[in-house]
Amino acid sequence: QSVLTQPPSVSGAPGQRVTISCTGSNSNFGAGYDVHWYQQLPGTAPKLLIYGNNNRPSGVPDRFSGSKSGSSASLAITGLQAEDEADYYCQSYDSSLNIYVFGTGTKVTVV
Amino acid sequence: EVQLVESGGGLVKPGGSLRLSCAASGFTFNSYSMNWVRQAPGKGLEWISSIDSSGMYIYYGDSMKGRFTISRDNAKNSLFLQMNSLRAEDTAMYYCARTRSYCTVGTCYSDWFDPWGQGTLVTVSS
Repeated sequence: QSVLTQPPSVSGAPGQRVTISCTGSNSNFGAGYDVHWYQQLPGTAPKLLIYGNNNRPSGVPDRFSGSKSGSSASLAITGLQAEDEADYYCQSYDSSLNIYVFGTGTKVTVV
Repeated sequence: EVQLVESGGGLVKPGGSLRLSCAASGFTFNSYSMNWVRQAPGKGLEWISSIDSSGMYIYYGDSMKGRFTISRDNAKNSLFLQMNSLRAEDTAMYYCARTRSYCTVGTCYSDWFDPWGQGTLVTVSS
């Protein structure tokens, strides 16, 4: 059972803004651990999208942004494009379990 | 180019063993902690194990303790995962990933994974 909870799916039309929530607890986000986000395109390995709550690696479009507040985090995609159809996972560290933890994953569909 | 390439996956019977390898290139391998992460078919990501740069400090997820062993050979820029007593529920794509962390003045970010290899598929079935 994943420690970080995400909605199973979100959808939006091209050009719209969508957000993905990632709900944690006092032993991960609430304890000060950061959130990181990964994008997994169909049939491929996960790829780093956001690190340290709101930092984009080189090459990631500025349409992607992240935030964290208290025990929750979110990923926003503005100007949604067809190529953004993918699964998205949040990740952090849990000090109670002493393990790295991933979110349950969210499938983004461009309708 | 920073690259990780896994190998060693395949079909194995329940109770069997398999050794996965991950070949690293394009970076100073002996300066980074490394990880194994798996993904069962149609499911989410699950962290399996981490090993620090020297190989001295090793960590496992609870469901893998006692059955899986992570190791590394810094001279050969390689990471390994020895998997014993395999079960049907171990069927998954297995990825290796480099640990990244970053500190700036006044703050350090907690660890993330970048890059990831392409994965190697392990199927446990009779």
